[in-house]
Amino acid sequence: DIRMTQSPASLSASLGETVNIECLASEDIYSDLAWYQQKPGKSPQLLIYNANSLQNGVPSRFSGSGSGTQYSLKINSLQSEDVATYFCQQYNNYPRTFGGGTKLELK
Amino acid sequence: EVQLVESGGGLVQPGRSLKLSCLASGFTFSNYGMNWIRQAPGKGLEWVASISSSSSYIYYADTVKGRFTISRDNAKNTLYLQMTSLRSEDTALYYCARHSYYGYNRDWGQGVMVTVSS
Repeated sequence: DIRMTQSPASLSASLGETVNIECLASEDIYSDLAWYQQKPGKSPQLLIYNANSLQNGVPSRFSGSGSGTQYSLKINSLQSEDVATYFCQQYNNYPRTFGGGTKLELK
Repeated sequence: EVQLVESGGGLVQPGRSLKLSCLASGFTFSNYGMNWIRQAPGKGLEWVASISSSSSYIYYADTVKGRFTISRDNAKNTLYLQMTSLRSEDTALYYCARHSYYGYNRDWGQGVMVTVSS
């Protein structure tokens, strides 16, 4: 199974700040990586797919990058509505696996 | 608008069975693979099972293999998850999700809660 190690587990940042979340795969996943945002009490929402493609309707302050085993999600100019937990997921192979999540809070 | 509405959850005793349903609308259901994904209270996301558009390909997580069965009825636009021999560790919010061509989950339902407890 491909293990997805996400860091940090929690993060506190100020409005307008830039935030980076990392996801490390235990083997090459060839950019088959998605990022999801889950707000409290809500279902996850797709932000990024294929490592760097922005889902329709997602603000351009979100971006994804990476290749091979290392990937990252960047949030520019943090807004209050970005408070959420973020998950990465690989879909290169079964079983599909998720990172443990990063809980983003406002400082 | 894509809608995925799960139902069938509830409180069940260990060892018993439960069947979840997910009614899809707003897209051509028979063209898409579907997934079940669960989230234990306060925990992360765990993929449970996937089924291809025509049911030709089915995959399960090791934690549910042999106990859970994913199926679909394309005529009824409905995805199912038959759960047997339920354990306390199966307690979770169960989401159905639409599978994209590449494999990521592009749309999610609101989830249905399953609680396994005596």
